[in-house]
Amino acid sequence: EIVLTQSPGTLSLSPGERATLSCRASQSVSSSYLAWYQQKPGQAPRLLIYGASSRATGIPDRFSGSGSGTDFTLTISRLEPEDFAVYYCQQYGSSPKTFGQGTKLEIK
Amino acid sequence: QVQLVQSGAEVKKPGASVKVSCKASGYTFTSYGISWVRQAPGQGLEWMGWISAYNGNTNYAQKLQGRVTMTTDTSTSTAYMELRSLRSDDTAVYYCARDRIVVVPAAIPTMAAADYWGQGTLVTVSS
Repeated sequence: EIVLTQSPGTLSLSPGERATLSCRASQSVSSSYLAWYQQKPGQAPRLLIYGASSRATGIPDRFSGSGSGTDFTLTISRLEPEDFAVYYCQQYGSSPKTFGQGTKLEIK
Repeated sequence: QVQLVQSGAEVKKPGASVKVSCKASGYTFTSYGISWVRQAPGQGLEWMGWISAYNGNTNYAQKLQGRVTMTTDTSTSTAYMELRSLRSDDTAVYYCARDRIVVVPAAIPTMAAADYWGQGTLVTVSS
């Protein structure tokens, strides 16, 4: 089973700032099958990024993903008020399709 | 538009079973797989397993093997997740989620992220 470790656990930033979230895998994620999701309280997760760097339909271009192998990054270029939420990475290249433990992005 | 609508909240006693439904609309149900993901209160996301709506192939998380069964009813475009021998640590919100790409019959599960999610079903296990 691939274990995903996200850092930091909590990130405190202000609107307009740049956010960088990390996801590290315990072994290589095949074919960059790595996704990022955003979850707000009381809501289902929302797909942001798939294939490590492809934006899902309707996702603003301030969200970008990068990385390969075992190290992946989600970057939000300029934070909007609606971006403050919990973010999860997920690998789907092997079963089980494991999730990271999440990074909470909070308003500073 | 694609929609996944789940059944309502459940309260169960330890040892009982629960069956959650997920009714799909807005796309060809049999072309995609469905994953089930749960989230305990205040915790992260846990992938439970996957079912192909194309041919019924399943793939379950090892920790749930023997307690979980995922099925589909193609006549009603509905996926089901049944969890047996419930324990207090099964208390969670359960989500169904559709694969972003169509089923690849040889791949179990299809290597796909989940692009549409149900609204979630709270299952509470308490004596």
